[in-house]
Amino acid sequence: EAEVAQSPRYKITEKSQAVAFWCDPISGHATLYWYRQILGQGPELLVQFQDESVVDDSQLPKDRFSAERLKGVDSTLKIQPAELGDSAMYLCASSLTGGTNSPLHFGNGTRLTVT
Amino acid sequence: GESVGLHLPTLSVQEGDNSIINCAYSNSASDYFIWYKQESGKGPQFIIDIRSNMDKRQGQRVTVLLNKTVKHLSLQIAATQPGDSAVYFCAENTGTASKLTFGTGTRLQVTL
Repeated sequence: EAEVAQSPRYKITEKSQAVAFWCDPISGHATLYWYRQILGQGPELLVQFQDESVVDDSQLPKDRFSAERLKGVDSTLKIQPAELGDSAMYLCASSLTGGTNSPLHFGNGTRLTVT
Repeated sequence: GESVGLHLPTLSVQEGDNSIINCAYSNSASDYFIWYKQESGKGPQFIIDIRSNMDKRQGQRVTVLLNKTVKHLSLQIAATQPGDSAVYFCAENTGTASKLTFGTGTRLQVTL
């Protein structure tokens, strides 16, 4: 079964440093999402792409976070500078069409620890 | 692997028994709902979904029930197995795009 690939699996960084995460969605999936999951909570949407365009980034802290999906396939999420409160699991998901009846398929995430 | 959700509500069931996990959703306009299973150190895994024009949907060993009157969703797992041990999240679709809002998870512990 096709999977959403994410790397790195784990990342430890010092506060004020820059960090980047990569995601390769399931082939053919037009919609890509970045979620953040704090331990003990459900995932929260950061940004949603439809092909290469941002559909929703209302919850993305744009002063320090940026996301891109230049060719409408894989995507990068960047944090600069990282803060202690950014420690969380960063999950990428993709769906075929982005509409209802199109479930999201998640990768196994990148666990970020900011020291 | 690391633990997902150290202080989540926990449901403990014996192997072979049926499990019922409940979820209250917030938006009466939500029209699509999904249950996800998340094992330690992994991303959420799709289990089953249901549209708001249905009140019940069955899969393999799982059934989702939707009560729109009280905005309640439940996941029933038949003959619970040790491999079912995980954190379960319900998610609702709000708006025309596939933007999912996740509820508070429930940890399912299966005892032998």
